[in-house]
Amino acid sequence: EVQLVQSGAEIRESGESLKISCKASGYIFTAYWIGWVRQMPGKGLEWMGIIWPSDSETTYSPSFQGQVTISADKSTNTAFLEWRSLKSSDTAIYYCARRESSGWPHNWFDPWGQGTLVTV
Amino acid sequence: SYVLTQSPSVSVAPGETATIPCGGNNVGSKSVHWYQQKPGQAPVLVIYYDNNRPSGIPERFSGSNSGNTATLTITRVEAGDEADYYCQVWDSVSDHAVFGGGTRLAVL
Repeated sequence: EVQLVQSGAEIRESGESLKISCKASGYIFTAYWIGWVRQMPGKGLEWMGIIWPSDSETTYSPSFQGQVTISADKSTNTAFLEWRSLKSSDTAIYYCARRESSGWPHNWFDPWGQGTLVTV
Repeated sequence: SYVLTQSPSVSVAPGETATIPCGGNNVGSKSVHWYQQKPGQAPVLVIYYDNNRPSGIPERFSGSNSGNTATLTITRVEAGDEADYYCQVWDSVSDHAVFGGGTRLAVL
């Protein structure tokens, strides 16, 4: 079974750093892009960026470029989302999701991790 | 950047048919995917590539896409279908994912 399991909820102060994780299982980790999606309280889904775990190539939404860092560790089949200096506006649930494709640009996300609540 | 527009809410009685539109400029030329998100849960894919159902998704869920509107249709709506529904495309110009703002389906 393909699964993405995310790290637990976090509470941080403004200005602190944070790295949350998304551990993949049930498939070849380096064969699929993994994306990150933000959901602020009571709001919709926002695409943040995506990583190709095989070589760590990343693409960011302009809204999140320079604000977060997406990385991956092939040895542990884990993707990460990191902040160097959190702001109160970073309070949200963050989801990782595997990108499926039937050929570019026909791309969608399945499955999704359970989400990580970050409170700043 | 590409924009997808969804109505904030749709209401339907149990047993009726719900139609949830997703508007975008020439969206019919793109592939549209739909996610269901129930309160407190992660999104779940219910339709991919316009009208394909992942395994485990009931046949009551279907999709269509033409012109400037894609539509998610749920027939014989049940109380358990109450959720937020999001459409999504991949913008080939920016090489980014784009989500609609979401539609809350209320089952009366």
